[in-house]
Amino acid sequence: AQSVTQPDIHITVSEGASLELRCNYSYGATPYLFWYVQSPGQGLQLLLKYFSGDTLVQGIKGFEAEFKRSQSSFNLRKPSVHWSDAAEYFCAVGPNTGNQFYFGTGTSLTVIP
Amino acid sequence: DGGITQSPKYLFRKEGQNVTLSCEQNLNHDAMYWYRQDPGQGLRLIYYSQIVNDFQKGDIAEGYSVSREKKESFPLTVTSAQKNPTAFYLCASSTSRHTINEQFFGPGTRLTVL
Repeated sequence: AQSVTQPDIHITVSEGASLELRCNYSYGATPYLFWYVQSPGQGLQLLLKYFSGDTLVQGIKGFEAEFKRSQSSFNLRKPSVHWSDAAEYFCAVGPNTGNQFYFGTGTSLTVIP
Repeated sequence: DGGITQSPKYLFRKEGQNVTLSCEQNLNHDAMYWYRQDPGQGLRLIYYSQIVNDFQKGDIAEGYSVSREKKESFPLTVTSAQKNPTAFYLCASSTSRHTINEQFFGPGTRLTVL
């Protein structure tokens, strides 16, 4: 069965510090992986995606993620967090043959001055 | 500009009433989706449609209904049978089943049952 786990419900970091958000997936085939960001009361915006090739992918807003097949992980990183990065972050995998996507429960990021 | 629109942004309904949430896209996407979002539960799939005049139930379809008469539109009706309808509803779309691509999301509709 396909599933996505985001172990950290909430993370607090200081502005300027580095960030890593964890994502583990279970998927029966070659995974297509995504990270989305959601500001309060808004829809989701795609940060980056991995389909194939280089396992380190770059996204928007200075984010990057690394696909590690051996660990079934796709962790999101940013070297220096800005206050505007405070938001909810979702990892997703898919689509399956039925064109469904599977989302983690999200990680809420708080940035302190 | 291409994108997905959802209306209204906020919706209030009395218990026992049906209500329809609108979702329109001009991205020429074949697939469209409805998700429900509750705090701490991420996104749960209600219904999805891969082509016009066809749709499938997701994980939490009970108390909801949809239609897909046009490629651009995928309205969701929350019926009185939905026991706890207060939530944030997100519509999304993606390209056809034959290509791999991400989902694009609308801005959401917050439904409150009074």
